[in-house]
Amino acid sequence: GENVEQHPSTLSVQEGDSAVIKCTYSDSASNYFPWYKQELGKRPQLIIDIRSNVGEKKDQRIAVTLNKTAKHFSLHITETQPEDSAVYFCAASTGTASKLTFGTGTRLQVTL
Amino acid sequence: GAGVSQSPRYKVAKRGQDVALRCDPISGHVSLFWYQQALGQGPEFLTYFQNEAQLDKSGLPSDRFFAERPEGSVSTLKIQRTQQEDSAVYLCASSLEVLSTDTQYFGPGTRLTVL
Repeated sequence: GENVEQHPSTLSVQEGDSAVIKCTYSDSASNYFPWYKQELGKRPQLIIDIRSNVGEKKDQRIAVTLNKTAKHFSLHITETQPEDSAVYFCAASTGTASKLTFGTGTRLQVTL
Repeated sequence: GAGVSQSPRYKVAKRGQDVALRCDPISGHVSLFWYQQALGQGPEFLTYFQNEAQLDKSGLPSDRFFAERPEGSVSTLKIQRTQQEDSAVYLCASSLEVLSTDTQYFGPGTRLTVL
């Protein structure tokens, strides 16, 4: 089955700096890659996603890139703000299975 | 409109008790998923419904876990004879259709603590 690895496990940046989180996946048939933000005690919330026919997608301060050949995808957050502090999870979904396989999460801390 | 809701939000059970966790998906959503999230970990897939049909239960950890969605809307996850290792947050998610590229919307979860 699919295996998703995520790095780093913790990331501390100063307000205004950029943050990058990287994930790799194992199943070449995976075709959907969402990123979720989860604040303490809250539900995971989708912040951006990318499908396998696209290499990059951007939404204001957030962007995701996908390299299908290397089987990795990354989340980029620019101009970080304290409210960006949370745990971020990457995930992958395979065409026939629908279920999401999640990475282990990155705890992002944005300091003033 | 209303998002995915789950009840109860918190459940404390003594070891050996049975528990039932409820999920109300977004109205009209065909697909429903259950995930288990241990402390400090990512959600892990348990089971998947397409309408009332349970198409994938490969993630259920043991035969003590049972899920149903009899009318294709509300779903219940039942855990029999709870064990301490069952302590986790149980998340429900729904998506509009059956495509793997559909967005999954999560509920707030039920935090189960087994003493």
